[in-house]
Amino acid sequence: LAKTTQPISMDSYEGQEVNITCSHNNIATNDYITWYQQFPSQGPRFIIQGYKTKVTNEVASLFIPADRKSSTLSLPRVSLSDTAVYYCLVGDGRGGYQKVTFGIGTKLQVIP
Amino acid sequence: EAGVAQSPRYKIIEKRQSVAFWCNPISGHATLYWYQQILGQGPKLLIQFQNNGVVDDSQLPKDRFSAERLKGVDSTLKIQPAKLEDSAVYLCASSRRTGEDEQYFGPGTRLTVT
Repeated sequence: LAKTTQPISMDSYEGQEVNITCSHNNIATNDYITWYQQFPSQGPRFIIQGYKTKVTNEVASLFIPADRKSSTLSLPRVSLSDTAVYYCLVGDGRGGYQKVTFGIGTKLQVIP
Repeated sequence: EAGVAQSPRYKIIEKRQSVAFWCNPISGHATLYWYQQILGQGPKLLIQFQNNGVVDDSQLPKDRFSAERLKGVDSTLKIQPAKLEDSAVYLCASSRRTGEDEQYFGPGTRLTVT
């Protein structure tokens, strides 16, 4: 299993762009990178997933360099409602079953 | 599309008692997961089912925890007997298949063992 490392916490002001970087040096060829968001007293919610280069959806962007040893989740113009814990997961996305491990995550605090 | 349903939402029991949690995944989802989330930590996978077969239960404390998924749909997770350290939120999730499919989580059951 590829282990992930991400900052424990981050603070940001409303309206700013937030970038959360996740390190996964031992990522395997078949591994996908997935980010989840979790609010207090709720289950995690899928945000975005990618394999290489850049992926963008209505919520966030995911930047993955060519060596895939890290990835950056970008949240544009955050609001107070983006205060949550963000998890970076790496797992085998092909064949067999996907085994992923949630780390501690990054606790993002958005400040007014 | 209805989400993942879990019950009960809250449960308080004394140590050495038994407890069971129920999960109804999204219709048509083949894979079902049970996670344990202790306060301040990320979710820890306890068991993963593919239809009604177990594909991973390496982190399930089998001396006290058991889970089943009859007919490949609903699932129950049981703890018997409970310990103080079992106090946590138990999350159920489902996904269409395995592989890269995103997981959809239920609201969780908050268990307090006194």
